[in-house]
Amino acid sequence: EIVLTQSPATLSLSPGERATLSCRASESISSYLAWYQQRPGQAPRLLIYHTSNRATGIPARFSGGGSGTDFTLTISSLEPEDFAIYYCQQRSNWITFGQGTRLEIK
Amino acid sequence: QEQLVQSGAEVKKPGASVKISCKASGHTRYFMHWVRQAPGEGLEWMGIINPSGTTANYVQKFQGRVTMTRDTSTSTVYLELNSLTPEDTAMYYCARDGSYCSSSNCYAAYFFDYWGQGTLVTVSS
Repeated sequence: EIVLTQSPATLSLSPGERATLSCRASESISSYLAWYQQRPGQAPRLLIYHTSNRATGIPARFSGGGSGTDFTLTISSLEPEDFAIYYCQQRSNWITFGQGTRLEIK
Repeated sequence: QEQLVQSGAEVKKPGASVKISCKASGHTRYFMHWVRQAPGEGLEWMGIINPSGTTANYVQKFQGRVTMTRDTSTSTVYLELNSLTPEDTAMYYCARDGSYCSSSNCYAAYFFDYWGQGTLVTVSS
């Protein structure tokens, strides 16, 4: 099973700041990585697929990068609605998720 | 915009079974998944069913205890989980696969572009 490790577990930032979230895979997953946002009480929402492709309706402040085992999700300038939990997910070998990064208001 | 509407919350006793439905507003060409989330925990993928409903693949952890089915006439997919334990208490989500579709076939992409609202299953004696 491919293990995805997200860091940091919690990220405390202020609106307007830049957020960088990390996801590391236990082995190479090529570019088969997606990112999801989950707000309290809501279902997850797809942000990014295939490492860097924004899903329909996702603002340009969200961007993804990386390859192999190391990936990042960047939010260029945080809006109040961006404070949520973010999960990465791989599909190289079945499907597994990272444990999540909680993005909280500082 | 696809909408996935799931059935309501369930309360079950240990050893019982539960069957959850997920009705899609759009066409049925896509692969569909089930993902669960225990309270305060992360996301756990359970398996996938193909567009025609003829093939389902399950995570080994759930093999023998889970069945995914599909009624293409009503655009509804179902998840049945047997021999419930308190550890099965979770929010269960159906999710549409971000499938690649040609004029004749769809191919699974194994990421989730639309999600249902979730069905809370509580297992308690």
